[in-house]
Amino acid sequence: AQSVTQLGSHVSVSEGALVLLRCNYSSSVPPYLFWYVQYPNQGLQLLLKYTTGATLVKGINGFEAEFKKSETSFHLTKPSAHMSDAAEYFCAVTRSGSARQLTFGSGTQLTVLP
Amino acid sequence: DAGVIQSPRHEVTEMGQEVTLRCKPISGHDYLFWYRQTMMRGLELLIYFNNNVPIDDSGMPEDRFSAKMPNASFSTLKIQPSEPRDSAVYFCASSSLQGTGKEQYFGPGTRLTVT
Repeated sequence: AQSVTQLGSHVSVSEGALVLLRCNYSSSVPPYLFWYVQYPNQGLQLLLKYTTGATLVKGINGFEAEFKKSETSFHLTKPSAHMSDAAEYFCAVTRSGSARQLTFGSGTQLTVLP
Repeated sequence: DAGVIQSPRHEVTEMGQEVTLRCKPISGHDYLFWYRQTMMRGLELLIYFNNNVPIDDSGMPEDRFSAKMPNASFSTLKIQPSEPRDSAVYFCASSSLQGTGKEQYFGPGTRLTVT
């Protein structure tokens, strides 16, 4: 069965510092991988996705993630944090045997300190 | 595109009452998902539809929960009778078979409070 582990339910960084949010997955088939962001009182918004091809994926708001098959990881990074990046971030993976279902991680709350 | 539309945005009801949540998916999308989000359990998939047909409802917690999709542009999630433990944010999401990435697009959610 597919699973997603997000290390660190809370991450704090200073404004301007590197953001690194960790995601590891397990999947019996080549996965599609996603990062979503959720701002307070809003729905989840797609940040970026990996399907096939280039393993470094660029998304919105300056975020990027790298698919590393050998490490079963899909960590999210941003070189310089902005106050507006404060939100909850979810990693997700497609479920094998299902065309459309996603398995979500438990989320990482990002705090950006001034 | 207007995105996924959900109504109401907030619902406060008393235990035992019927609650109906509504969702309009993105036009042209053929998959629709209902999720529930709580602090304790995170994001849970309740049920999903393909071309208006329920495909997997194994996440529906109890018989008190039911979902319908009478047409491609409308779905409802009903709770009858409601209980305080049903308090959560309920999200609807949709996706398209034509998309290459299988990504889902989420609505703004309905915050349900059952007192």
